[in-house]
Amino acid sequence: KQEVTQIPAALSVPEGENLVLNCSFTDSAIYNLQWFRQDPGKGLTSLLLIQSSQREQTSGRLNASLDKSSGRSTLYIAASQPGDSATYLCAAISGTYKYIFGTGTRLKVLA
Amino acid sequence: GAGVSQSPRYKVAKRGQDVALRCDPISGHVSLFWYQQALGQGPEFLTYFQNEAQLDKSGLPSDRFFAERPEGSVSTLKIQRTQQEDSAVYLCASSLGGSGRLEQYFGPGTRLTVT
Repeated sequence: KQEVTQIPAALSVPEGENLVLNCSFTDSAIYNLQWFRQDPGKGLTSLLLIQSSQREQTSGRLNASLDKSSGRSTLYIAASQPGDSATYLCAAISGTYKYIFGTGTRLKVLA
Repeated sequence: GAGVSQSPRYKVAKRGQDVALRCDPISGHVSLFWYQQALGQGPEFLTYFQNEAQLDKSGLPSDRFFAERPEGSVSTLKIQRTQQEDSAVYLCASSLGGSGRLEQYFGPGTRLTVT
């Protein structure tokens, strides 16, 4: 059974700092790994989708990597801004169509 | 183009009431999913439709939960005799293909509060 863990649960950083969010999964036979952003009281905004044949994806200040052999994905945020404050969720699809989500990392970027 | 929409966005129900939550997927999307997100947790799978067929309802927490998609487009999640533990955000997602491995696009969710 796939389990997804995100560390840390919460993170507070000063503006401008580069940061890394971690996502671990137990079943390496995944099809996709996707990172989302969720603002308070809002739905999910897709940030990056990494397919199983890929090792990383980049969008602007965001870079996500995928290492299936070690069961890990990281989301790198460069030059963080207060507007980046949100909860970041990773989700793995393995074996089925169900997205298995982690519990998220609550990020606060201080101005 | 229009994304996934859900209504109502907020719903307050008294314990024991029935509620119906609506999801309008992206036009032409074959697959539709419902998820439940409790406070401080990640979303958890409830059920999956391919067109009008409900192929997986293994995540529905009890027989009080019922979902339908009669014409293969709009879907309704119904909760009968609501309980306080049903309070959560209910997210709907759709994807283009029927394989289930394509990217899912999420709606804004319906926040249900049972008092």
